[in-house]
Amino acid sequence: EAQVTQNPRYLITVTGKKLTVTCSQNMNHEYMSWYRQDPGLGLRQIYYSMNVEVTDKGDVPEGYKVSRKEKRNFPLILESPSPNQTSLYFCASSPKAHSNYGYTFGSGTRLTVV
Amino acid sequence: QKEVEQNSGPLSVPEGAIASLNCTYSDRVSQSFFWYRQYSGKSPELIMSIYSNGDKEDGRFTAQLNKASQYVSLLIRDSQPSDSATYLCALKKEYGNKLVFGAGTILRVKS
Repeated sequence: EAQVTQNPRYLITVTGKKLTVTCSQNMNHEYMSWYRQDPGLGLRQIYYSMNVEVTDKGDVPEGYKVSRKEKRNFPLILESPSPNQTSLYFCASSPKAHSNYGYTFGSGTRLTVV
Repeated sequence: QKEVEQNSGPLSVPEGAIASLNCTYSDRVSQSFFWYRQYSGKSPELIMSIYSNGDKEDGRFTAQLNKASQYVSLLIRDSQPSDSATYLCALKKEYGNKLVFGAGTILRVKS
């Protein structure tokens, strides 16, 4: 089944403890992106990747890191999580970096930082 | 001004009626527009895409685009309780392949 897989689905952590949210797609998509979704603010882009080894900041990149060493994987790293990073996170992918295609979203990761 | 504006709702319609969801946008350069459906706690699911002025129909869904008025809409015919969800309007930016989303409209279909 063609899909974007995120793990974990739920995560509660403490301030300052490094964590990684994994994202993997099996559709050979070039483009991958991370979004966070907060009440009243909607979906906001954190980072994106046009292809392997090509990443760039989105609208709210502070406090996050990403890497794209393989085409299928695009992990999101929080080096020192803070409570304001408590949110619902979505990974998404698209076939081509410059195209009319929409995104396919992963199931989401609900992160709570205490 | 937000790039994509939607009425947050909730929009309540009776079962079997037509639900009309609207969206305006500010970026005149954008060429691709999308409607996503999101159930509570779930991920957004693409239901329609539209690139040209006019109407595009897919089953019970019709997307309408008017680039001159910078207006996108989604019509859902024969609305069902299972259509109750938040509907997100999105446009694709010319640079960076980014999708910019509206805040969403909550639709409630009452049986």
